[in-house]
Amino acid sequence: NAGVTQTPKFQVLKTGQSMTLQCAQDMNHEYMSWYRQDPGMGLRLIHYSVGAGITDQGEVPNGYNVSRSTTEDFPLRLLSAAPSQTSVYFCASSYDGTAKGYGYTFGSGTRLTVV
Amino acid sequence: DQQVKQNSPSLSVQEGRISILNCDYTNSMFDYFLWYKKYPAEGPTFLISISSIKDKNEDGRFTVFLNKSAKHLSLHIVPSQPGDSAVYFCAASESGAGSYQLTFGKGTKLSVIP
Repeated sequence: NAGVTQTPKFQVLKTGQSMTLQCAQDMNHEYMSWYRQDPGMGLRLIHYSVGAGITDQGEVPNGYNVSRSTTEDFPLRLLSAAPSQTSVYFCASSYDGTAKGYGYTFGSGTRLTVV
Repeated sequence: DQQVKQNSPSLSVQEGRISILNCDYTNSMFDYFLWYKKYPAEGPTFLISISSIKDKNEDGRFTVFLNKSAKHLSLHIVPSQPGDSAVYFCAASESGAGSYQLTFGKGTKLSVIP
């Protein structure tokens, strides 16, 4: 059981470049989300999805786009990378999104550096 | 404004002793609380949770206490083991329209000394 898989694990981008962070889960979870972790800031929610075709913004959505065409995948797109987007990005999923019971299952993260 | 606060960035405890990690919250709408453990280069893993209708929840060596009037919760680890050395995040959620978001604290790094 793979759980939540994130690719790539590491990425270096130049300012202005675009890229997509991939997230896939094989647990048939309806809810998926993206968090970023910055030093001294904890984890902050970027975007989330409660099912295929449904997405919504979190606390820090600016500069990021998401879409959810399948239950399994929830890619995060950086349209024009900025140094302020240097961070570790985590994808998380859960059965119904309420976090009750067993919380969210997180991927192992993507460490992104924008130079 | 931080709604979930972990005021101790780090904590060192001797192996075999009790570790107590604290968390305060300001949003009175929060009704479900979780603790996550995170090792370096890994994603957070769920540890234990508690609903606001309870004041205590136990799972093996881990116990979470909730004091709603003080808006405070704590995680007790007894006895502490070297493998418990990690960053611990407190998180909270609310029912209703905000139920699809977890609000995290900044984390407390626990070091268990052998």
